[in-house]
Amino acid sequence: ETGVTQSPTHLIKTRGQQVTLRCSSQSGHNTVSWYQQALGQGPQFIFQYYREEENGRGNFPPRFSGLQFPNYSSELNVNALELDDSALYLCASSPGQGEQPQHFGDGTRLSIL
Amino acid sequence: ILNVEQSPQSLHVQEGDSTNFTCSFPSSNFYALHWYRWETAKSPEALFVMTLNGDEKKKGRISATLNTKEGYSYLYIKGSQPEDSATYLCAYSYYGGSQGNLIFGKGTKLSVKP
Repeated sequence: ETGVTQSPTHLIKTRGQQVTLRCSSQSGHNTVSWYQQALGQGPQFIFQYYREEENGRGNFPPRFSGLQFPNYSSELNVNALELDDSALYLCASSPGQGEQPQHFGDGTRLSIL
Repeated sequence: ILNVEQSPQSLHVQEGDSTNFTCSFPSSNFYALHWYRWETAKSPEALFVMTLNGDEKKKGRISATLNTKEGYSYLYIKGSQPEDSATYLCAYSYYGGSQGNLIFGKGTKLSVKP
């Protein structure tokens, strides 16, 4: 089975720009969650998508938005990038609702100059 | 503020030592507790998901216990090996939280010397 893949692995942007990060979920998984891990912190929940609908959101401003596609892959979009957005962005998929372990990708390292 | 605390922050042990670390979380509205192992340059790997007070789970040399009434979980590694070197993350979810909203601790970084 194919695991969770994220692209790109690294990205450098400047303040005010926009970025799109991509995630392919594990085969058979219809739920995708996105997390931000800043240096020295644990991952922080951004939002979750279930069957193409947003299904929960953490404490992130509206300039963080997402999409899930019919094949359950997902995008995270961040507008008006700020220096504090520099972080590792992790995508995790799971096989539906209920308390399931999440399967993580390797992450995208985003640096804002 | 919902906070998950892990201790210690880091741990250095010799090969063969047994070790344990702690995850503390709010006991109210508890739903589930997750443990993940995160090796450098890899993705976090799920170890356990526990939901019931008193739950104990085991996977090889690694085991975990859960106390939801007092809000803590222990992770034990018996006879540590160099390949156990990783950051161990715990994450908690709660009733009333957004679906999928795992609240993570900062992790315990374990280094096992051969």
